[in-house]
Amino acid sequence: GQNIDQPTEMTATEGAIVQINCTYQTSGFNGLFWYQQHAGEAPTFLSYNVLDGLEEKGRFSSFLSRSKGYSYLLLKELQMKDSASYLCAAMDSNYQLIWGAGTKLIIKP
Amino acid sequence: GAVVSQHPSRVICKSGTSVKIECRSLDFQATTMFWYRQFPKKSLMLMATSNEGSKATYEQGVEKDKFLINHASLTLSTLTVTSAHPEDSSFYICSARDMAGRDSDTQYFGPGTRLTVL
Repeated sequence: GQNIDQPTEMTATEGAIVQINCTYQTSGFNGLFWYQQHAGEAPTFLSYNVLDGLEEKGRFSSFLSRSKGYSYLLLKELQMKDSASYLCAAMDSNYQLIWGAGTKLIIKP
Repeated sequence: GAVVSQHPSRVICKSGTSVKIECRSLDFQATTMFWYRQFPKKSLMLMATSNEGSKATYEQGVEKDKFLINHASLTLSTLTVTSAHPEDSSFYICSARDMAGRDSDTQYFGPGTRLTVL
């Protein structure tokens, strides 16, 4: 079957770095998405990886290893506003999205 | 875990026809479901919030007469794209909130429906 795993909850300190991992198993692969979602709001697109490697976008970076079925989202210089849920979603060969349940990130001062 | 399904997964239709997309929560009851549209740059735009037994709440700029939403039961919401045009071609994603779950704020997302209007 197809599935995605990511931690349910993580806690980090303001100013620090946190890495949110995501492992996936899909029938075929057409890329992996990361979204940020604050409570009561629509998800905000963060990144899309389809090739192996690290993509950096400001304080946020996303890494993909297709052979390992693994991705992570790296957040640097954490700010209180980064407290949110982070959703990982993989697209399969039929261009269907398989979503993780989301990682709730709590930032402490 | 909570599962949300969508049907169909992809649909191709002629311009001027109507298309219905179903969103189902398979193992939980969802009093609230959301409909999103994914744009080519991957961003998700919230179109409307669907509430069981009442009228949907549409976001600004979304035509409610064009995108008809019906949330007739606690496990099913439908989005009907009426008189579809090529510019309506997109990837439509629904999500559902499990009000009885451990975190009532959590939304569970469906796999999406790819609509192509010729």
